[in-house]
Amino acid sequence: QKEVEQDPGPLSVPEGAIVSLNCTYSNSAFQYFMWYRQYSRKGPELLMYTYSSGNKEDGRFTAQVDKSSKYISLFIRDSQPSDSATYLCAMQGNTPLVFGKGTRLSVIA
Amino acid sequence: GAVVSQHPSWVICKSGTSVKIECRSLDFQATTMFWYRQFPKQSLMLMATSNEGSKATYEQGVEKDKFLINHASLTLSTLTVTSAHPEDSSFYICSARSGARGTEAFFGQGTRLTVV
Repeated sequence: QKEVEQDPGPLSVPEGAIVSLNCTYSNSAFQYFMWYRQYSRKGPELLMYTYSSGNKEDGRFTAQVDKSSKYISLFIRDSQPSDSATYLCAMQGNTPLVFGKGTRLSVIA
Repeated sequence: GAVVSQHPSWVICKSGTSVKIECRSLDFQATTMFWYRQFPKQSLMLMATSNEGSKATYEQGVEKDKFLINHASLTLSTLTVTSAHPEDSSFYICSARSGARGTEAFFGQGTRLTVV
């Protein structure tokens, strides 16, 4: 079992939809959880950063961490075509960041 | 967020030559910098971790003599791909962290290397 599992998609949704992106992990030592957005041929851009369990909201983005289930989510409300990108989850304990494979999202106008 | 600048954004070189990629933290001091490699439609694979003033720590399977990393200051790290071959063609990305483990890591724009 890989340390971090993320469905690569692609995921295609209409503009305005609520998008749910998820990752599962196996290492219970992970304490820091991030979501990155990566446009084609660009470096990842940090979207959300969460420590331990709980929810965090920033504008249209909400990150959830459930450590008991080893499951993290990113919700995007009122999705826009500009949200079309690859979304990578990343997490960390006492090791360098471990990334998921990324989910390719397309928001169709 | 903090800004990490990576240069060049793309480079084409001949097989057998060496290529240097720079990674700079523009508005913070990066105690630790990371170098990643990313193949198309794949996730980021950590190549090495470098702390300022120390030798880099390479991940298993990464040749340290081929991928030379220098982290001479708190704002600059370089990756040199020596004697590049077509199989080294990839997207190389650096990231920088300012403090203790768990603080956010910010990424450069990436460098697309094509070896012909």
